[in-house]
Amino acid sequence: GDSVTQMEGPVTLSEEAFLTINCTYTATGYPSLFWYVQYPGEGLQLLLKATKADDKGSNKGFEATYRKETTSFHLEKGSVQVSDSAVYFCALPRDAGGTSYGKLTFGQGTILTVHP
Amino acid sequence: GAGVSQSPRYKVAKRGQDVALRCDPISGHVSLFWYQQALGQGPEFLTYFQNEAQLDKSGLPSDRFFAERPEGSVSTLKIQRTQQEDSAVYLCASSLLNWRGRLAGSNEQFFGPGTRLTVL
Repeated sequence: GDSVTQMEGPVTLSEEAFLTINCTYTATGYPSLFWYVQYPGEGLQLLLKATKADDKGSNKGFEATYRKETTSFHLEKGSVQVSDSAVYFCALPRDAGGTSYGKLTFGQGTILTVHP
Repeated sequence: GAGVSQSPRYKVAKRGQDVALRCDPISGHVSLFWYQQALGQGPEFLTYFQNEAQLDKSGLPSDRFFAERPEGSVSTLKIQRTQQEDSAVYLCASSLLNWRGRLAGSNEQFFGPGTRLTVL
């Protein structure tokens, strides 16, 4: 079945460092791909998305490119801030018997801590 | 506008007790999802509603779990005879999508803050 694999964490960086969080997926066809973020004490929020191969999603300085040849959707940011400290989840919608209404399957999450 | 709200935010139950968790989705959202998030893991799908119809309950782990959305807005997840393995954060999400929507797979789900259930 469809699945998502994220790099193991936690990840600890200094402010202004470069961030990469790896995500690979297994899916039938070419689903949309998402990155969600969970800040401390808050609910999951959509960070960015890509709806087809070669699309690049971007938001708040984060980027991820949908690469079908490597079945990957790695999250990157050129210069992280302390406020980026959160848990990041890669996700894809999981088809349910041909009626895809968007229920999500998530990776296990990557905890990011950014120090001043 | 108001987002998805859930109550209570925290619930402690003794093993064997019944609990009820409430979700208020964004007004007008057709779709409602429940997920279970164990400590250190990503959320796992439990069940899906389109308006008042429960179209998918394939993720409910046992018949002790029951969900309803009788008027197509507020939803309640009920767990009977709670067990320690039920301890988790229960997340509710809503979206505008219906199951015939052409935006299937690309529509955003808006999540509530979750209810953290601890079973002693």
